[in-house]
Amino acid sequence: AQSVTQLGSHVSVSEGALVLLRCNYSSSVPPYLFWYVQYPNQGLQLLLKYTSAATLVKGINGFEAEFKKSETSFHLTKPSAHMSDAAEYFCAVSDRGGAQKLVFGQGTRLTINP
Amino acid sequence: NAGVMQNPRHLVRRRGQEARLRCSPMKGHSHVYWYRQLPEEGLKFMVYLQKENIIDESGMPKERFSAEFPKEGPSILRIQQVVRGDSAAYFCASSPPSPGYTFGSGTRLTVV
Repeated sequence: AQSVTQLGSHVSVSEGALVLLRCNYSSSVPPYLFWYVQYPNQGLQLLLKYTSAATLVKGINGFEAEFKKSETSFHLTKPSAHMSDAAEYFCAVSDRGGAQKLVFGQGTRLTINP
Repeated sequence: NAGVMQNPRHLVRRRGQEARLRCSPMKGHSHVYWYRQLPEEGLKFMVYLQKENIIDESGMPKERFSAEFPKEGPSILRIQQVVRGDSAAYFCASSPPSPGYTFGSGTRLTVV
């Protein structure tokens, strides 16, 4: 069965600092991988997705993530944090075929300090 | 191009009542998914539907919960005889036949 582990339920960085949110997955075959962002009382917005093209994936709002098969990781980064980045971030995995059922991690709440 | 529309945004029900949550997918999307988010938890898959078909309901509780996606109209998630433990945010998502969902803003159900 697939699973996703997000290391750190809370991450706090200063405005302008590097953002690094960690995600490791467990899957018997290379899956599809996603990062979503959720602002308070909102739905989830897709930041980026990996579907077997380039291993470095660029998303919206300056975020990017790198798929590392050897480490079974898909960490999310942004070079310079902005106050508007404060939100909950979810990593998710799905099979390549059949139903696109997503398995989500527990989420990481990102706080930006001025 | 409207996104995924969910209504109502907030729903309050007394224990034992029925809750009906509606979801209209994005135009051109034929796949609908329902997820539940309990407080301080990630989203858990409930059910995957295509028009008039339930494809995967492995995440649905065995009793009181049902879902449909009729030929015409929105997808409906129905919870009968609600209990306090059903209080959660319920999110619908839709997709074309390719990876990557679009989520609605959710329905926040409170059972009192």
